[in-house]
Amino acid sequence: EAQVTQNPRYLITVTGKKLTVTCSQNMNHEYMSWYRQDPGLGLRQIYYSMNVEATDKGDVPEGYKVSRKEKRNFPLILESPSPNQTSLYFCASSLQGPQGSPLHFGNGTRLTVT
Amino acid sequence: AQTVTQSQPEMSVQEAETVTLSCTYDTSESNYYLFWYKQPPSRQMILVIRQEAYKQQNATENRFSVNFQKAAKSFSLKISDSQLGDTAMYFCAFRGNDMRFGAGTRLTVKP
Repeated sequence: EAQVTQNPRYLITVTGKKLTVTCSQNMNHEYMSWYRQDPGLGLRQIYYSMNVEATDKGDVPEGYKVSRKEKRNFPLILESPSPNQTSLYFCASSLQGPQGSPLHFGNGTRLTVT
Repeated sequence: AQTVTQSQPEMSVQEAETVTLSCTYDTSESNYYLFWYKQPPSRQMILVIRQEAYKQQNATENRFSVNFQKAAKSFSLKISDSQLGDTAMYFCAFRGNDMRFGAGTRLTVKP
């Protein structure tokens, strides 16, 4: 089944403790991206990647890191999480970026930083 | 930078009725795509419909259709014969040189 797999689904952590949210797609998509969803703000792009070893900042990159060493994987790293990073996170991929290809989303990660 | 505005934070509709969700956007690009995504309580993001900006014909997918007004930069979603399963958050999205989402409209379908 074609899908974007994102883990974990829920994560509670404390301020300053490094964490990684994994994202993997099995559709051979070139484009991958991370979003955070907050009430009243919709989805905002954190980082995106047009292909392997090519990553770029989105609208809200501060406090996040990403890497794209393989085409299928695009992990999101929070090296020192803070409470303002408490949010719902989505990984997404598409056949090509930008424009016509619709995004395929993972099931989301609910992150709470205390 | 592109912006996407959904002016209706919440809406409700009776089952079997028709409802229209509004979306406007701002861009200087001429070649782009517009999408509506549905997010039910399961929080999964589901593509509802897609519109190419170069096509004048409005996209339709079963009970879902759009009213795309390129000059007005408007992209509304019409849901006909509303069903309880349509209850969800709906996001309008723009994809040109970058990707933008609106803040969402929470739709409740009442029995």
